[in-house]
Amino acid sequence: SAVISQKPSRDICQRGTSLTIQCQVDSQVTMMFWYRQQPGQSLTLIATANQGSEATYESGFVIDKFPISRPNLTFSTLTVSNMSPEDSSIYLCSAQVGAQTTEAFFGQGTRLTVV
Amino acid sequence: AQSVTQPDIHITVSEGASLELRCNYSYGATPYLFWYVQSPGQGLQLLLKYFSGDTLVQGIKGFEAEFKRSQSSFNLRKPSVHWSDAAEYFCAVGRGFGNEKLTFGTGTRLTIIP
Repeated sequence: SAVISQKPSRDICQRGTSLTIQCQVDSQVTMMFWYRQQPGQSLTLIATANQGSEATYESGFVIDKFPISRPNLTFSTLTVSNMSPEDSSIYLCSAQVGAQTTEAFFGQGTRLTVV
Repeated sequence: AQSVTQPDIHITVSEGASLELRCNYSYGATPYLFWYVQSPGQGLQLLLKYFSGDTLVQGIKGFEAEFKRSQSSFNLRKPSVHWSDAAEYFCAVGRGFGNEKLTFGTGTRLTIIP
């Protein structure tokens, strides 16, 4: 199993600014994922954070808006850039433990409100 | 592309009553299916998962789910709910063993009444 910690747990930000969300895993993991959960909506995958290479973004998400770092096997950051109220969501980090695993673990999420 | 449908947005159940949450999926290959629970202010916790074998899967907290290929369904059940089961429940389909990119349904919010 894995324990995933996200910081901050919540934040209120001004439009036009950027916020970086940190995700720390208590063990080395092969793949990390970032999801967005808009109010009243389900979770949507933003990107896969790969250690040693650029993140892979899903359709509708771009690196300029959501730059991701993955400096090592236990840590990743997601930045929400040039925020607008439409970016108000819960952002969740997820990790896959091992190359052949069957379970994804999730952090508690970061609740972002843009005003 | 895969998709997941949870037809019930909100369900209210009396404490002690049985529960069934519906999930239908669309996927071109063998599906890897999951149920997660999200309590208020918490992250997602895996309840159970299905990859192959016995189509009735047992999970944590007394939950079970049955995979029915002919109906493309993976419904979650519990024989007797507790007040602590009030939460949001998400069904998800994975893109393959060892690839945990998940496609989630829209969720079902469960309310428990005394």
